[in-house]
Amino acid sequence: DAGVTQSPTHLIKTRGQQVTLRCSPISGHKSVSWYQQVLGQGPQFIFQYYEKEERGRGNFPDRFSARQFPNYSSELNVNALLLGDSALYLCASSWETGTIYGYTFGSGTRLTVV
Amino acid sequence: RKEVEQDPGPFNVPEGATVAFNCTYSNSASQSFFWYRQDCRKEPKLLMSVYSSGNEDGRFTAQLNRASQYISLLIRDSKLSDSATYLCVVSTNQAGTALIFGKGTTLSVSS
Repeated sequence: DAGVTQSPTHLIKTRGQQVTLRCSPISGHKSVSWYQQVLGQGPQFIFQYYEKEERGRGNFPDRFSARQFPNYSSELNVNALLLGDSALYLCASSWETGTIYGYTFGSGTRLTVV
Repeated sequence: RKEVEQDPGPFNVPEGATVAFNCTYSNSASQSFFWYRQDCRKEPKLLMSVYSSGNEDGRFTAQLNRASQYISLLIRDSKLSDSATYLCVVSTNQAGTALIFGKGTTLSVSS
């Protein structure tokens, strides 16, 4: 079975541009969460979606938005990119919204803003 | 106070050594506890969950002290392949809440 898949793997954008990152969860998983990992830091929670509805949001500005599709895949959008948005963006999927079993992460999208 | 605090290291140890990492968390409502391993420029991977009674997986032993809000990871007989960053992770396990990660502790095992 395929794990969590993310695309693209790498991306270079210019300040002020917009970016869309994509995630396909493990088959059967209905919950998708997004995390941002800046170099030297642990991952930080951005969003959680379950059954196409937002179930949780971290402390990120409104420039960050996401959605989940009927097939449970998800997109993360970031508008008006800043240099500080350069990071590894990780997607994780799980059966449900709780975290009791931990999450399986995709290999991430490395975004560089120049 | 940060939600999850870890000594960033690096810990530089020879092969065969025993090394211990510690972690403290601030939210007393935390219910789930994990250690993740992250190799350079890769995604974090679940190493083990941590239970109140303590648990062991081969050379790895994790302990949880809820009263002190303290988690530990012991690695015995270190291998070169253990070189990585070890992330301490906690969660309240409520719907819609997140895994809260520490900054990670870097381990370098040398021959």
